[in-house]
Amino acid sequence: AQKVTQAQTEISVVEKEDVTLDCVYETRDTTYYLFWYKQPPSGELVFLIRRNSFDEQNEISGRYSWNFQKSTSSFNFTITASQVVDSAVYFCALSDAPAASGGSYIPTFGRGTSLIVHP
Amino acid sequence: GAVVSQHPSWVICKSGTSVKIECRSLDFQATTMFWYRQFPKQSLMLMATSNEGSKATYEQGVEKDKFLINHASLTLSTLTVTSAHPEDSSFYICSATEFGTSGGNEQFFGPGTRLTVL
Repeated sequence: AQKVTQAQTEISVVEKEDVTLDCVYETRDTTYYLFWYKQPPSGELVFLIRRNSFDEQNEISGRYSWNFQKSTSSFNFTITASQVVDSAVYFCALSDAPAASGGSYIPTFGRGTSLIVHP
Repeated sequence: GAVVSQHPSWVICKSGTSVKIECRSLDFQATTMFWYRQFPKQSLMLMATSNEGSKATYEQGVEKDKFLINHASLTLSTLTVTSAHPEDSSFYICSATEFGTSGGNEQFFGPGTRLTVL
């Protein structure tokens, strides 16, 4: 069975600090996909990134970066120079490969980490 | 593109009544739609998957007679919470995927509907 663990339930930082959100996953599949989503107070999930199990390259997108390490089954997310607008709940998720070509990812979500950025 | 809407955004109802929540894909045809439930400070739990024109597939532990799902068109799925009780109060989120010819398709999430049952 798949499992995603986000051990940090809440993180509080001051603006401009860097912050890393941890994600550890469990799966028996060799092909799988990892995701991060942001859920601001409005509730709508915002897709941030998808990474497949064969691509361990770290990725940077603006102030966001992701560190994927298969050896430790981790997919951590770092926000550099945090801003108040980054305050949200962040979910890490794991999906099998779609059942068929053209099929859907069906993520199993972690419990989320609530990030609070103080001005 | 890839916008999913939900209506209503919030609803308060009395115990015993039924509530219908609509999920629409606004700019694409959604062959598959998903319904999730999220309790406060909790994760999203998949309730069911529905494909247009066929019966929904419910996850283990989800009562299909309690949570009726209809996916009658390529742009609309509805979730009806029948005979709602206070324990059904939750944040319900739908998502939709557009059928693709290869690879996997992302789920595009709606803004959610907050249901409060008094």
